[in-house]
Amino acid sequence: GAVVSQHPSWVICKSGTSVKIECRSLDFQATTMFWYRQFPKQSLMLMATSNEGSKATYEQGVEKDKFLINHASLTLSTLTVTSAHPEDSSFYICSAFSGTSAYEQYFGPGTRLTVT
Amino acid sequence: DQQVKQNSPSLSVQEGRISILNCDYTNSMFDYFLWYKKYPAEGPTFLISISSIKDKNEDGRFTVFLNKSAKHLSLHIVPSQPGDSAVYFCAASANGNQFYFGTGTSLTVIP
Repeated sequence: GAVVSQHPSWVICKSGTSVKIECRSLDFQATTMFWYRQFPKQSLMLMATSNEGSKATYEQGVEKDKFLINHASLTLSTLTVTSAHPEDSSFYICSAFSGTSAYEQYFGPGTRLTVT
Repeated sequence: DQQVKQNSPSLSVQEGRISILNCDYTNSMFDYFLWYKKYPAEGPTFLISISSIKDKNEDGRFTVFLNKSAKHLSLHIVPSQPGDSAVYFCAASANGNQFYFGTGTSLTVIP
C-alpha cells in the first residue's frame, strides 16, 4: 500500500522557538495532504488542507500565522509551528491521498511535539 | 461542532466474541465513511470503508453497516482477537473534500 512518512517522529523544543515537521509520500504523488492534531483522549482534529502549489486551507480556529503549511512538491508538505508554546504540545499527523481512490487517505506515523 | 460522534469511549470484549463499535453523524451530505485503527503513538491505519449507496461492506472479520435514515454506522469485528485492541475512529466525508473524525473508541479484547 501507499506509504507516508513524517520527520521527525519526536521533537522537543523550547518555548518561543519554531519547529518544522515534514510529511512525505514515498511511493506516490499526493496533490492533497491533510494535517491533523490529536490531543490526549480526543479525536483527530483537522487543522488544514494542503494542496500542491497553492495556499493551504485552514479550519476555523486554526491560526494560519502560527501553523505555517507549505506544499512545495507532489511528495512533500511541511508544517512549521512558529513561536511554539507549551499548549502546542501535541501529536501531529499528516495524511495524503494515494490517487487510487478519491476518498482513501494514508496517514503518516505522526510527530510528537513537546514544548518546554 | 462535532459532526461525527462516537459515544462509547471504551469497549471490552472477550476474545472470540463480536465487537460492535458505533458511530453517529449529523451531516446528511456525508457520502463516504471510513473506519481507522490506531495504536498509541502511531498514525491511524485504514480498515474499511463504505459508500452511502451501500448499507453493508464486508472485509474478512470486519463488516461495516450503514443506516442512512438513522445517520448511524457500525463496525463489527468477529471473531475479536487480542491484536484488535486499539482505538478505532470512524470518519466521514462529503465529496472527499474534508474528513471529519469521531472521538474514537478504545477497544480491549480480553484473552
